[in-house]
Amino acid sequence: AQSVTQPDIHITVSEGASLELRCNYSYGATPYLFWYVQSPGQGLQLLLKYFSGDTLVQGIKGFEAEFKRSQSSFNLRKPSVHWSDAAEYFCAVARRTTSGTYKYIFGTGTRLKVLA
Amino acid sequence: DAGVTQSPTHLIKTRGQQVTLRCSPKSGHDTVSWYQQALGQGPQFIFQYYEEEERQRGNFPDRFSGHQFPNYSSELNVNALLLGDSALYLCASSLGLGQAYNEQFFGPGTRLTVL
Repeated sequence: AQSVTQPDIHITVSEGASLELRCNYSYGATPYLFWYVQSPGQGLQLLLKYFSGDTLVQGIKGFEAEFKRSQSSFNLRKPSVHWSDAAEYFCAVARRTTSGTYKYIFGTGTRLKVLA
Repeated sequence: DAGVTQSPTHLIKTRGQQVTLRCSPKSGHDTVSWYQQALGQGPQFIFQYYEEEERQRGNFPDRFSGHQFPNYSSELNVNALLLGDSALYLCASSLGLGQAYNEQFFGPGTRLTVL
């Protein structure tokens, strides 16, 4: 069965420090991968997505992610974290269904806390 | 251009009641997907509507049903509410069937509390 794993439930970093959030997926075909951010009480905002091509993907708010097929990973990175980055982050994969549609499968999320 | 809108924002119901949640897709989008996000979990796919038909369904009981209208807006109905139905319900819209590279845009969600 296809799944998305985010091994870290909580991560705490100091403001200005670098950040890496881990995401592993299991999917037989070439995956469509996404990272979303969710602030408390808010909906989901797309940070970046990978479909094909360059394995290093740039997103909004200074985030980037690298697709590594050999490791089945799509880790999210940011060189210098800002206090406003404190939120919950979700990795997702789009899976093609038998009816030809796509549905998103999300990981359980990583909650980021930023220390001043 | 209005994004995806959902109503109501918050809702409180008691066990056994029925609830209807509403979603208006982003302008130009014709496909609506519904997700349930329980506290501390990632969103779980409920079902997807295109051309007023349910095209795909996740692992949810028949108590969860939906509808899509000719203007592409959608409703999610939940019957015989259980405490475990308490969650944030997210609606997402996209363009076209089976077009994964077309981003799904998420609404702010409806927070349902079942007492």
